[in-house]
Amino acid sequence: GAVVSQHPSRVICKSGTSVKIECRSLDFQATTMFWYRQFPKQSLMLMATSNEGSKATYEQGVEKDKFLINHASLTLSTLTVTSAHPEDSSFYICSARFPYPNEKLFFGSGTQLSVL
Amino acid sequence: GENVEQHPSTLSVQEGDSAVIKCTYSDSASNYFPWYKQELGKRPQLIIDIRSNVGEKKDQRIAVTLNKTAKHFSLHITETQPEDSAVYFCAASPPGYALNFGKGTSLLVTP
Repeated sequence: GAVVSQHPSRVICKSGTSVKIECRSLDFQATTMFWYRQFPKQSLMLMATSNEGSKATYEQGVEKDKFLINHASLTLSTLTVTSAHPEDSSFYICSARFPYPNEKLFFGSGTQLSVL
Repeated sequence: GENVEQHPSTLSVQEGDSAVIKCTYSDSASNYFPWYKQELGKRPQLIIDIRSNVGEKKDQRIAVTLNKTAKHFSLHITETQPEDSAVYFCAASPPGYALNFGKGTSLLVTP
């Protein structure tokens, strides 16, 4: 399958700091990328849809000023958790959609964020 | 929006038996139904998918069936092996939209 790279895989930060997570599609161009959040033993919850060259679309209940998404190129989307708090600790995982007509979704390896 | 329900939440089978996981969806516009396998601490891996113009798809020991009228789809794993133990997620999406996931099924295959 297609390769989606996500970095960092694990980050520990102090409360109040910001953390940036990168998601790259390595062997295809992705006009759309998605950011999910996953709590232990739970499902993947969609946070936002990132479209190249335009503003991200956030799901209800997700603070756009807290979770900044930038999709500046067809192969890179970033999620910045601003002013992180302990409740933001979670597994964040990105995914990229393969171009039409395939449109399969491939996931990055995820980022485990721990906010102290 | 799309709402995906998945059952059962946990499933334990003996090695060699079959496992079936069922999902229902709410949005009749959904046309893409993938299944993912996620091992602990790892990314979800696409194992099989089906589109709404197909009723059944098979790949070795894994098969997926889709009933558009009833809005449900199922994953069938035959001749289960211990390495099949993982969490399985179904998902559905209308064209051009994000995937909505079921809550997952924790499958345990005992030797």
